Amino acid sequence: GESVGLHLPTLSVQEGDNSIINCAYSNSASDYFIWYKQESGKGPQFIIDIRSNMDKRQGQRVTVLLNKTVKHLSLQIAATQPGDSAVYFCAENSSEYGNKLVFGAGTILRVKS
Amino acid sequence: DAGITQSPRHKVTETGTPVTLRCHQTENHRYMYWYRQDPGHGLRLIHYSYGVKDTDKGEVSDGYSVSRSKTEDFLLTLESATSSQTSVYFCAISESRPSEQYFGPGTRLTVT
Repeated sequence: GESVGLHLPTLSVQEGDNSIINCAYSNSASDYFIWYKQESGKGPQFIIDIRSNMDKRQGQRVTVLLNKTVKHLSLQIAATQPGDSAVYFCAENSSEYGNKLVFGAGTILRVKS
Repeated sequence: DAGITQSPRHKVTETGTPVTLRCHQTENHRYMYWYRQDPGHGLRLIHYSYGVKDTDKGEVSDGYSVSRSKTEDFLLTLESATSSQTSVYFCAISESRPSEQYFGPGTRLTVT
């Protein structure tokens, strides 16, 4: 597979532990946020989204937290599995961006068995 | 990949030649997008479409054109390929804006 980011931050976790991936977004006017997972050689896969009128949203094994005060977004993965190893991207949307998603550079998650 | 196909999946071409990449969706979504992904830059929007024959530029549109004559197809053309356009190209679709975008499997383009 192709490396999508040669110098991305990397998070290494033990299988079964919880993972927390962080994202600092840039625009205080952003009103919609998404987390994507990208495995090597594949397209980004939607994980979970959250709108700015919420501060927490839960999915299956994942939770997204939004702190608008400090413009911070986090993705928590419970009981991390080897299949969670991938690059994780956050994306933000704002009317100032013409309602187009702006993507962060990503974080590599490595799960140790 | 949410009913999205891209063709070709891999292509090697020479500098100066025109190249067309195709994105095809079976979801009947209104919005379609073309991104490029490069190490150190993440995903960057090239062009997008908000309906048949309705398109607009993204942040890295120079050297690219698009067309959408049918809801299901969105074409990306490199008018005269350059080595700087060597990249992985992703198509995405969404029902509304803003909303989650679903991505295709990607096309790896190498310009020699």
